[in-house]
Amino acid sequence: NAGVTQTPKFQVLKTGQSMTLQCAQDMNHNSMYWYRQDPGMGLRLIYYSASEGTTDKGEVPNGYNVSRLNKREFSLRLESAAPSQTSVYFCASSPAGGNIQYFGAGTRLSVL
Amino acid sequence: SQQGEEDPQALSIQEGENATMNCSYKTSINNLQWYRQNSGRGLVHLILIRSNEREKHSGRLRVTLDTSKKSSSLLITASRAADTASYFCATDPGAGSYQLTFGKGTKLSVIP
Repeated sequence: NAGVTQTPKFQVLKTGQSMTLQCAQDMNHNSMYWYRQDPGMGLRLIYYSASEGTTDKGEVPNGYNVSRLNKREFSLRLESAAPSQTSVYFCASSPAGGNIQYFGAGTRLSVL
Repeated sequence: SQQGEEDPQALSIQEGENATMNCSYKTSINNLQWYRQNSGRGLVHLILIRSNEREKHSGRLRVTLDTSKKSSSLLITASRAADTASYFCATDPGAGSYQLTFGKGTKLSVIP
């Protein structure tokens, strides 16, 4: 009963490097989300996918791209990492918009 | 921008006492949700209250919603050390929106 699985759990990048954060859910949910969490800032939505084949920008999309590979998988890509992208990234899924969201354990990213 | 704002930012109580956290928001909502985050972990959904509901219970949790004041409270009764965590409110504006907006959270410490 895995729920939402994120990989990797930890990552250190140098400025300018690229990487992709992976997320997969096994609950047959339609909607998936990427958030970042910074100290004292709560969670901020980066991108979301209301359903397979669609993606939309959230509150803080600059510097990121996403791919909804299929119904299960939603990846987040940093093309050229910057120190300002040092954060904890959470993936979540829900049956549909406005519903309860189920979160992964997070990816802790440091950009040096 | 943050929709929900929790108050207080931090709360420290003795085991067995009740803990009350408040959330204020700015715009109309379809529902309001409360989540818990243990240190280093993802968020876990606790309870959802719809805009036409005034109070809801789940085990030791009691949530109230006052849409006229745009505020909600979360009461945890007979607290336990295991309740130590950060608590976040999240608002759903409805109208087909997929964007839950999270507050900055209340950090609760329950001292054994």
